[in-house]
Amino acid sequence: QVQLNQSGPGLVRPSQTLSVTCAISGDTVSSNSAAWNWIRQSPSGGLEWLGRTYYRSRFYTDYAVSVRGRMTINSDTSKNQFSLHLNSVTPEDTAVYYCTRAPLIEDSIWTWGWLDPWGQGTLVTVSS
Amino acid sequence: EIVLTQSPGSLSLSPGERATLSCRASQSVSNTYIAWYQKKPGQAPRLLIYGAFSRATGIPDRFSGSGSGTDFTLTISRLEPEDFAVYYCQQYGGSMCNFGQGTKLEIK
Repeated sequence: QVQLNQSGPGLVRPSQTLSVTCAISGDTVSSNSAAWNWIRQSPSGGLEWLGRTYYRSRFYTDYAVSVRGRMTINSDTSKNQFSLHLNSVTPEDTAVYYCTRAPLIEDSIWTWGWLDPWGQGTLVTVSS
Repeated sequence: EIVLTQSPGSLSLSPGERATLSCRASQSVSNTYIAWYQKKPGQAPRLLIYGAFSRATGIPDRFSGSGSGTDFTLTISRLEPEDFAVYYCQQYGGSMCNFGQGTKLEIK
């Protein structure tokens, strides 16, 4: 079955770039039938979808309005992993970051489904 | 963008009781593209229901989903001690996906 294993630093300084990596086993980042997503949960908040990447002849990305312009998702086919990079971070970016997979549910219009499985989560604290 | 509103914000029940959690969308959700997740502290979210009705692999049949249009419900027929957690609904299928704010299910 698909498993996702996250890695990344737990502490990032304000104004720096937050990076978390998600290694995939049991599937490939260049699969035509999956999108690879990032979700976060702040200490006092709920779940927030941040963005996704998917491969359809080339890699595409979608981002939430809240992080558009600050966030980049990169994919590495040689390592079968994808990464989140969030720049210019502030303490409000302190959260547990999760990677997760969404299946393709409508091929003709590239519609992505529910989120499963999930990585174990990475707590990232933004503090000086 | 579809906004999901979950109610109640918290619910106090006893093991063995029935729990009914609501998720209301600001506009009709096409194709019942609604999922439900269980979230416990220190754990990743766990998929329970997708397509509004379908149970994910390994999910006990005491969990059921229903609804259409703008109103969706997660029902837990007989609460077990391990069911006390926060539950989130999620809308998918669009260019973005959104979560409700969550319902905390507490032991009474």
